[in-house]
Amino acid sequence: GENVEQHPSTLSVQEGDSAVIKCTYSDSASNYFPWYKQELGKRPQLIIDIRSNVGEKKDQRIAVTLNKTAKHFSLHITETQPEDSAVYFCAAISPEGGATNKLIFGTGTLLAVQP
Amino acid sequence: KAGVTQTPRYLIKTRGQQVTLSCSPISGHRSVSWYQQTPGQGLQFLFEYFSETQRNKGNFPGRFSGRQFSNSRSEMNVSTLELGDSALYLCASSTNRGKTDTQYFGPGTRLTVL
Repeated sequence: GENVEQHPSTLSVQEGDSAVIKCTYSDSASNYFPWYKQELGKRPQLIIDIRSNVGEKKDQRIAVTLNKTAKHFSLHITETQPEDSAVYFCAAISPEGGATNKLIFGTGTLLAVQP
Repeated sequence: KAGVTQTPRYLIKTRGQQVTLSCSPISGHRSVSWYQQTPGQGLQFLFEYFSETQRNKGNFPGRFSGRQFSNSRSEMNVSTLELGDSALYLCASSTNRGKTDTQYFGPGTRLTVL
C-alpha cells in the first residue's frame, strides 16, 4: 500500500521568510496530493492540492510542486506570517484499482513563524 | 452550505464499553471517510462509505465498524474499548463525482477511554 514520508517534523522561520515542507510517496499510481493545515484544537483544512497531471500549482503565498519521477511533492509558503503557524500534513491517494477517497497522511510538520 | 458536523464532540468511556460516533456530511456529499488521529500514530484511515457501502477499509481491528444511511449520514462504532482507542476521530466528506474530490473534515469527536 501507499506510504507517505514527510520532512521536517518541525520548522521554525522568521516572519517574512519562506517555508518548504517535503513529502515522498511510494506508490507510483498515486494521483492526488492534498495539503492540510491544522491549527491547535481545530479540524484539518485543505490549503492546496495537486493532481498527477500537473507539475505546479499556486494560490497566493502558497504553492505546491510535484515530481512524479522522483515521487515527491513539496509545499512552499512565501512571506510567512504568524497566522501560518500550525501543523501541516501532506497526503496522497492511490487509486487501488478504483475510485477511492482513502487519504494516506504524512506525519505532519509543526511550523512556527516567529514574529 | 453547512460544513461537516460530528456528534458528540467529547466522550469519556471506560475500558470494555462501546461507543457510537455520528457524522453528518455536507449536503450533496455522498462519500464519508473516517480517520483516527493520535499523537503517536498521526492521522490514520479507518474506512470510507459511499452510497451506503463500505468502499475501503484501513488496518484496524474488527472492533471498529461503521455504516452509512440513505441520507449519507454515517456512524462509526467501536466495541470493547481499549485505552489505546483514546483519540480524535475525524470524519470527512466529499462529493465523489467519479474522481477523487476534495475532502472536508468535521471538527472531530475527542474520545477518552479510562
